Amino acid sequence: GENVEQHPSTLSVQEGDSAVIKCTYSDSASNYFPWYKQELGKGPQLIIDIRSNVGEKKDQRIAVTLNKTAKHFSLHITETQPEDSAVYFCAARGGGGADGLTFGKGTHLIIQP
Amino acid sequence: KAGVTQTPRYLIKTRGQQVTLSCSPISGHRSVSWYQQTPGQGLQFLFEYFSETQRNKGNFPGRFSGRQFSNSRSEMNVSTLELGDSALYLCASSLGQGAGEQFFGPGTRLTVL
Repeated sequence: GENVEQHPSTLSVQEGDSAVIKCTYSDSASNYFPWYKQELGKGPQLIIDIRSNVGEKKDQRIAVTLNKTAKHFSLHITETQPEDSAVYFCAARGGGGADGLTFGKGTHLIIQP
Repeated sequence: KAGVTQTPRYLIKTRGQQVTLSCSPISGHRSVSWYQQTPGQGLQFLFEYFSETQRNKGNFPGRFSGRQFSNSRSEMNVSTLELGDSALYLCASSLGQGAGEQFFGPGTRLTVL
């Protein structure tokens, strides 16, 4: 089955700086890659996603890039703000939608004032 | 539009008991997936229901089961509870099977004593 590795497990950045979280996946048939933000006591919130026919997608301060050849994808957050502090999860879904999402272990993003 | 709702939000049970958790998807969404979240294993896929049929299943024992009703609401059941079943159980809804975007509810926190 699919295996998703996520790095780093903890990331501390100064407010206003950029943050980058990286994930790799194992199943070359995976074609859907969402990113979720989870705050304490809440369920994961979908913040951006990308499909395998696209290399990059941007939504305001958030962007995701996908390298199908290397089987890795990354989340980029620019101009970080205190409210960006949370745990971020990457995920992958196999081709044909036959499987549930496989998640990475999460990155605890800390924004230092 | 109302989000995904899960009841109850918190539950305490003892070993050997059984438990039923409920999920109401976003209006118009027909697919419901269930995930278990623990500090050690992270987010793991349990199963997905679409049109009242289980479409996919993760690697969990048969003690974990579920069902979906004609109005797309779903329940999951865990029988013969073990201490290791203590977790946050998350429900996610999407438009259809393999539709990609999954939206999570706040979860049910289950504690097994």
